[in-house]
Amino acid sequence: GQNIDQPTEMTATEGAIVQINCTYQTSGFNGLFWYQQHAGEAPTFLSYNVLDGLEEKGRFSSFLSRSKGYSYLLLKELQMKDSASYLCAVRAPQGKLQFGAGTQVVVTP
Amino acid sequence: GAGVSQSPRYKVAKRGQDVALRCDPISGHVSLFWYQQALGQGPEFLTYFQNEAQLDKSGLPSDRFFAERPEGSVSTLKIQRTQQEDSAVYLCASSFQPGGSEQFFGPGTRLTVL
Repeated sequence: GQNIDQPTEMTATEGAIVQINCTYQTSGFNGLFWYQQHAGEAPTFLSYNVLDGLEEKGRFSSFLSRSKGYSYLLLKELQMKDSASYLCAVRAPQGKLQFGAGTQVVVTP
Repeated sequence: GAGVSQSPRYKVAKRGQDVALRCDPISGHVSLFWYQQALGQGPEFLTYFQNEAQLDKSGLPSDRFFAERPEGSVSTLKIQRTQQEDSAVYLCASSFQPGGSEQFFGPGTRLTVL
């Protein structure tokens, strides 16, 4: 079956670093996406990994290990505006995205 | 347009009523996806169009759900005889490439069935 697991909630202070882990077991794999979603808003694209390794994009980095079925999203120099839900999604060969339930990140002053 | 738009943004329906949700994708985007997002959950795939062809409808929860994209641009998701369990946010996403690489999401339609 399809299974994408990520923690429900994480809390960190402004300026700190937070790492959100995602493990997946899916019948097909054609890349892994991370999306950010503020309450009541559309998911917005953060990163895409299709090969193993680390992709860095400003304050956000994402890592993928296909053999372990594992990814993480690293958020550095946290800002209050980073408080949101972070969604891990695996892309099936046909294109559809299979999402985890999301990790709610709470940034405190 | 600047992005994916959806209408209405909010819809309240009485149980048993039919509803139609509209999605305007980014101009020129070939792929269009519909997702359903329950409160506190990630989006769940419903259906996928490549131009006007519906290539995957495996996520539609019942035959009360129907989607179309007759001219390969605007899409409509129709739900017949709505039930309370249909209450959710319905998200539309489009992508330039067939099969969808980076998907751009619309703001969603929040459907509440009373």
